[in-house]
Amino acid sequence: ETGVTQTPRHLVMGMTNKKSLKCEQHLGHNAMYWYKQSAKKPLELMFVYNFKEQTENNSVPSRFSPECPNSSHLFLHLHTLQPEDSALYLCASSLGVTSSYEQYFGPGTRLTVT
Amino acid sequence: AQKVTQAQTEISVVEKEDVTLDCVYETRDTTYYLFWYKQPPSGELVFLIRRNSFDEQNEISGRYSWNFQKSTSSFNFTITASQVVDSAVYFCALSEARGNAGNMLTFGGGTRLMVKP
Repeated sequence: ETGVTQTPRHLVMGMTNKKSLKCEQHLGHNAMYWYKQSAKKPLELMFVYNFKEQTENNSVPSRFSPECPNSSHLFLHLHTLQPEDSALYLCASSLGVTSSYEQYFGPGTRLTVT
Repeated sequence: AQKVTQAQTEISVVEKEDVTLDCVYETRDTTYYLFWYKQPPSGELVFLIRRNSFDEQNEISGRYSWNFQKSTSSFNFTITASQVVDSAVYFCALSEARGNAGNMLTFGGGTRLMVKP
């Protein structure tokens, strides 16, 4: 595997379900990110992790719970979501967190909440 | 607060035409970075270019070129002799220097480019 991978690619879940999104980067990067891309809003940064430590939580509701066990893996745990949470969730990584580093994105998980 | 505006939501051209995608940004910082990403139908954003605020030289990479003008806070992207494979959504993004506080990219709304054969 190369680059940034995400699983699953598609997910349909009910509002009472609990599910997790997984992201893995094979680039040797130290920072990882979760973004939300919905039809009517620009890409929104959700969380930033640097060397496994969370450095940014962009006012994300607690029904989204991130986990970063190491610099290569990032999870997003989902529970009691709302239909408006349906979106494409993108994971990204970068060598570091300073502004000069470009981010590399995975293919995303298309989430539908019914 | 930083802001990126891509006024063109959708552009349609015929193959081999040249097309320019506009990007205007707002920031109070003197040190910042600008990026362009391409999002094909498969979903992942593909990094195209990074430019720092102190380097106003235009850049050319094959059929792609970028025009950075600080005086007008613009970072426009031109595709020469467009091809069907260029069809995608293109995002301009801005990152302000925040040290180790986190690389917070602010994205524009994107421009959907459709290249017809």
